Amino acid sequence: DQQVKQNSPSLSVQEGRISILNCDYTNSMFDYFLWYKKYPAEGPTFLISISSIKDKNEDGRFTVFLNKSAKHLSLHIVPSQPGDSAVYFCAASVSGTASKLTFGTGTRLQVTL
Amino acid sequence: DAGVIQSPRHEVTEMGQEVTLRCKPISGHDYLFWYRQTMMRGLELLIYFNNNVPIDDSGMPEDRFSAKMPNASFSTLKIQPSEPRDSAVYFCASSSHGGATDTQYFGPGTRLTVL
Repeated sequence: DQQVKQNSPSLSVQEGRISILNCDYTNSMFDYFLWYKKYPAEGPTFLISISSIKDKNEDGRFTVFLNKSAKHLSLHIVPSQPGDSAVYFCAASVSGTASKLTFGTGTRLQVTL
Repeated sequence: DAGVIQSPRHEVTEMGQEVTLRCKPISGHDYLFWYRQTMMRGLELLIYFNNNVPIDDSGMPEDRFSAKMPNASFSTLKIQPSEPRDSAVYFCASSSHGGATDTQYFGPGTRLTVL
């Protein structure tokens, strides 16, 4: 039972355009959400997070939006750059509890020239 | 400062053999996590430790898998006997405080192939 779902295994976007990566979750207890980025042959690295008390969090070119009623979050990258080409994992957790993160299956983003 | 270190980076073994994966967390981090990455299931948490003590091993797939953390700077994940379906990338991660909002730092992973 996949509690965090990334339904698009891959996405291709032209350099300079917006990349939108989507994530859905089923567990209503989740109240903290993260995005990790992974390059080939490397481990995932933390990118950006959002608490359920917010509906938007921005860090430079990266913005995460949270729609609690729809149990949906999205990561926007504007403008997309070739160096953004990687696999992006969405993750969720229940704050105030132990450290368990539940990850999605990942979306491979390819930014083309 | 060195990040999380994992060894070996690649492991190829035959079905039935014992496999041991190793991890050195970031110094000073109290929490250590073992994950497995597959195409079908993404990143799955197998087990995590707090101050060398296993806290939650509910993600360990079966008795063939075991993990230990004999001290604050070393952990192992063992598969005995290994099977082809164990082929995956195994990641170790550590975090300083272990709260659900605390950033986890991942190692480069061990790619395991069981023939």
